[in-house]
Amino acid sequence: GNSVTQMEGPVTLSEEAFLTINCTYTATGYPSLFWYVQYPGEGLQLLLKATKADDKGSNKGFEATYRKETTSFHLEKGSVQVSDSAVYFCALSPTSNTGTLVYFGTGTSLTVIP
Amino acid sequence: DAGVIQSPRHEVTEMGQEVTLRCKPISGHDYLFWYRQTMMRGLELLIYFNNNVPIDDSGMPEDRFSAKMPNASFSTLKIQPSEPRDSAVYFCASRLDRVNTEAFFGQGTRLTVV
Repeated sequence: GNSVTQMEGPVTLSEEAFLTINCTYTATGYPSLFWYVQYPGEGLQLLLKATKADDKGSNKGFEATYRKETTSFHLEKGSVQVSDSAVYFCALSPTSNTGTLVYFGTGTSLTVIP
Repeated sequence: DAGVIQSPRHEVTEMGQEVTLRCKPISGHDYLFWYRQTMMRGLELLIYFNNNVPIDDSGMPEDRFSAKMPNASFSTLKIQPSEPRDSAVYFCASRLDRVNTEAFFGQGTRLTVV
């Protein structure tokens, strides 16, 4: 089946610290992988995506590399800011004929303190 | 486009009352999804539509929940009768097509049933 497992939070970091949020997946075929971000009081919005192995998605200083050999898509940022405080969701979209749905992880809450 | 529009943003109702949540997807999007988000269960897919047709409602928790999409620009999620355990944030999302595309989320409706 298809599923996403991401590290549990909450994560609390000081400003300018390095961030890693782990995400691993199980899927049939070759899914597309996503990171979504949810700021307080808002809906989810796409942060970055990768559609094939070894692709690197990047946006707003965040990066994630599609690793087929380890079935992972870890989110990283070299220097976090207070404004990065949010909940981050890893997700996958299968590419099989039944791959209509997007499967979300449980979310990781990040708080960045000044 | 203004994005996915949900109404109301907040709803407080008494147990036993009927609640109707509304969603206007992005024009031209073929898929519409209803999600529920709670602290305990995270993000749950309730139902999704393709070209206004309900495809999978296996996530709808009980017969008290129903969803309709009478046309491409409007969908409703109804709870009748409502119960305190239905308190959650309900998100509507739309998506252009089935493969390799992002889901666009509305800002959600925070439902409180007292």
